[in-house]
Amino acid sequence: KQEVTQIPAALSVPEGENLVLNCSFTDSAIYNLQWFRQDPGKGLTSLLLIQSSQREQTSGRLNASLDKSSGRSTLYIAASQPGDSATYLCAVSHYTGNQFYFGTGTSLTVIP
Amino acid sequence: ETGVTQTPRHLVMGMTNKKSLKCEQHLGHNAMYWYKQSAKKPLELMFVYSLEERVENNSVPSRFSPECPNSSHLFLHLHTLQPEDSALYLCASSQEVYLNTEAFFGQGTRLTVV
Repeated sequence: KQEVTQIPAALSVPEGENLVLNCSFTDSAIYNLQWFRQDPGKGLTSLLLIQSSQREQTSGRLNASLDKSSGRSTLYIAASQPGDSATYLCAVSHYTGNQFYFGTGTSLTVIP
Repeated sequence: ETGVTQTPRHLVMGMTNKKSLKCEQHLGHNAMYWYKQSAKKPLELMFVYSLEERVENNSVPSRFSPECPNSSHLFLHLHTLQPEDSALYLCASSQEVYLNTEAFFGQGTRLTVV
């Protein structure tokens, strides 16, 4: 069974810092990997989707990389802002099966 | 109009009540999902529907009963719940289920069972 781990569980940084969030998964036979953002008590907002054949995706200040063979993905956030404070979740899916497997998330706080 | 809409946003119910959660997607997707999110735990998949047909039921207790009348609407009927069922219930949709395409989530329903 696929297990997704996100480290650290919580992270606090001063505004303006560049930071990296980590996601690892045990079964490397994934179809895609998706990064989400979740604000307290709210739903998930899709940030980036990386197909298994891709190595990275970029959107604005966000860059996600995927190393499928080692079972890792990173989410890089450049020039962090207080509005980036949220929980960041990664999820993977497989070629077969019907679900996305989620990590427990990294809670990010950007201090003004 | 947001892509995936859930109602109500908050629900408090007694253990003997019957209530329903509603999800509607305006994205033209064929797959819809119910997930449960409890504190400190990963999202747990509950049900998956593809073109109104249930394709996954992840050992969910029968006190949770899903209904998908068409590809745009998904319900979760609740009855005789337990306090441990208190959680954030999230609905999601994607273009197809078997290709596991990008998922879009609603804002969730915060359920409290008293």
